[in-house]
Amino acid sequence: SQQGEEDPQALSIQEGENATMNCSYKTSINNLQWYRQNSGRGLVHLILIRSNEREKHSGRLRVTLDTSKKSSSLLITASRAADTASYFCATVAPLYTGANSKLTFGKGITLSVRP
Amino acid sequence: EAQVTQNPRYLITVTGKKLTVTCSQNMNHEYMSWYRQDPGLGLRQIYYSMNVEVTDKGDVPEGYKVSRKEKRNFPLILESPSPNQTSLYFCASRGGAQGTQYFGPGTRLTVL
Repeated sequence: SQQGEEDPQALSIQEGENATMNCSYKTSINNLQWYRQNSGRGLVHLILIRSNEREKHSGRLRVTLDTSKKSSSLLITASRAADTASYFCATVAPLYTGANSKLTFGKGITLSVRP
Repeated sequence: EAQVTQNPRYLITVTGKKLTVTCSQNMNHEYMSWYRQDPGLGLRQIYYSMNVEVTDKGDVPEGYKVSRKEKRNFPLILESPSPNQTSLYFCASRGGAQGTQYFGPGTRLTVL
């Protein structure tokens, strides 16, 4: 079953602009993670935010988490052509649910950054 | 360098011909998974393993087998591949139950 739902499905911006991607989920989580995938390649972990955290930064990335709304956003500031990729959010259920600690992925957002 | 490796990277085969996709990680991770990625469907978990000799079904296990005889290796076996198993496959490993996941580079499988 799909847990994370990203929005929008596709995003096209100009180099230098900020890109904001959203993720909503349905059930309680232990943490939420964002991954990037360049075309046809493996997924690369970007950032992890735990359920008791509200915001995290990593370089040009900023992630927020609102557990009351069951949503997260990923902001990429000053985007570059090299940021062109698909971005996925993934959730991990709390241990007490016994859900095998599975990482459940959304379907992804395609980001295009025009030079 | 910490990594997850998969082989082969590309494979074209015919219906019914048994095949194995190997996966190996050098990070001493306990948790390993196999996913398939299909257009419009995202990543779906096929099987996972919490440790040596401990494996269980994911969301789409039909037509697949796995084994975990050593901590570092987690091969995916298709006993009798069919065209609907044409997909991009990823192996992944994770150190802790709640941690980040490392992915292999993917295996693109075509079953004719």
